[in-house]
Amino acid sequence: DQQVKQNSPSLSVQEGRISILNCDYTNSMFDYFLWYKKYPAEGPTFLISISSIKDKNEDGRFTVFLNKSAKHLSLHIVPSQPGDSAVYFCAALLTYNTDKLIFGTGTRLQVFP
Amino acid sequence: EPEVTQTPSHQVTQMGQEVILRCVPISNHLYFYWYRQILGQKVEFLVSFYNNEISEKSEIFDDQFSVERPDGSNFTLKIRSTKLEDSAMYFCASSAGTNTGELFFGEGSRLTVL
Repeated sequence: DQQVKQNSPSLSVQEGRISILNCDYTNSMFDYFLWYKKYPAEGPTFLISISSIKDKNEDGRFTVFLNKSAKHLSLHIVPSQPGDSAVYFCAALLTYNTDKLIFGTGTRLQVFP
Repeated sequence: EPEVTQTPSHQVTQMGQEVILRCVPISNHLYFYWYRQILGQKVEFLVSFYNNEISEKSEIFDDQFSVERPDGSNFTLKIRSTKLEDSAMYFCASSAGTNTGELFFGEGSRLTVL
């Protein structure tokens, strides 16, 4: 079951630059897409989400872009900070008759000074 | 800030033993979940719980697994007879409403089955 895919296991970015994390999905029926951040020894923390009827959602330094025709979403972090170093999980949600999140495998972001 | 708490943080058990993982969700939340992450793999849904009953469960959640909310605050996951492949990090989560995907996760309980 590979409905949500994050093809880059890791990403390294210099502090102050833009981090772009990518996610692809196969099910065009997903209603919401979410990004979670996870530090070591902690649980995932909700970061930002986007409805399938939107193509962009912005919250401070974090912006999520959704391209439905390509079944692709991305998370932009600008400017990147060392505290952003974590594993980022893309997740998708169908809302009809279910509320389970389907996660990608995660991308480890390292922001270096 | 309210948070989801889980105990134990790490449990080591012998194959075939019963294990209970405990969670205290955020107090005004109504929807409760267990997810797990096997080392190096994705976070996987196990079960969701609402109004004192299971609302959805995955294929992983077989007869060896059960959940309970015994006292209105704790939310437990029991594995009746553990297998080696049950070794994983188990995350409890809760939410105030459904269909948003915005879950509050605990720090996880690492289960090691020997």
